[in-house]
Amino acid sequence: EAQVTQNPRYLITVTGKKLTVTCSQNMNHEYMSWYRQDPGLGLRQIYYSMNVEVTDKGDVPEGYKVSRKEKRNFPLILESPSPNQTSLYFCASSLSGTRETQYFGPGTRLLVL
Amino acid sequence: AQSVTQLGSHVSVSEGALVLLRCNYSSSVPPYLFWYVQYPNQGLQLLLKYTTGATLVKGINGFEAEFKKSETSFHLTKPSAHMSDAAEYFCAANNAGNMLTFGGGTRLMVKP
Repeated sequence: EAQVTQNPRYLITVTGKKLTVTCSQNMNHEYMSWYRQDPGLGLRQIYYSMNVEVTDKGDVPEGYKVSRKEKRNFPLILESPSPNQTSLYFCASSLSGTRETQYFGPGTRLLVL
Repeated sequence: AQSVTQLGSHVSVSEGALVLLRCNYSSSVPPYLFWYVQYPNQGLQLLLKYTTGATLVKGINGFEAEFKKSETSFHLTKPSAHMSDAAEYFCAANNAGNMLTFGGGTRLMVKP
């Protein structure tokens, strides 16, 4: 089944404790991205990747890192989480860019205390 | 920079009534436009998209949207609401770059 998976689905952590949210797709998509969803603000793009080893900042990259060492995986790293990073995070992928259908993962709900 | 505005964060309709969700974009260059739906505790899935060509776009579950360049709008409609349509709906736009801009979302509630 074609899908985007994210782990973990729920995470509670404390300020400053490094964490990684994994994202994996099995559709051989070139384009992958991370969004955060906050009430009233819709989804805002954090980082995106056009292909392996090619990443770029979105609208709200501060406090986040990404890497794309393999085509299927695009982990999101929070080196020193802060409470303002409490949010719902979505990973998405598409064949080659944002003019195509984005396939979203199920989301990761993060609470930073 | 591109911006997308969805008028009304909450819309309530009766079952069987017309659904109208509004979306306006800011770009002077017509972008690619999308509507996504998010059911509770799920990711987003595509309802429909406008690229070029026909301005009336049909999507899944009986939804359609019309691209109006003069009004910079891409409103989503459905003639008759069903209880299963209750969800959050997001309009999104892309121009020539590699980023997608989303509106703030509209939560649709359907009353029996």
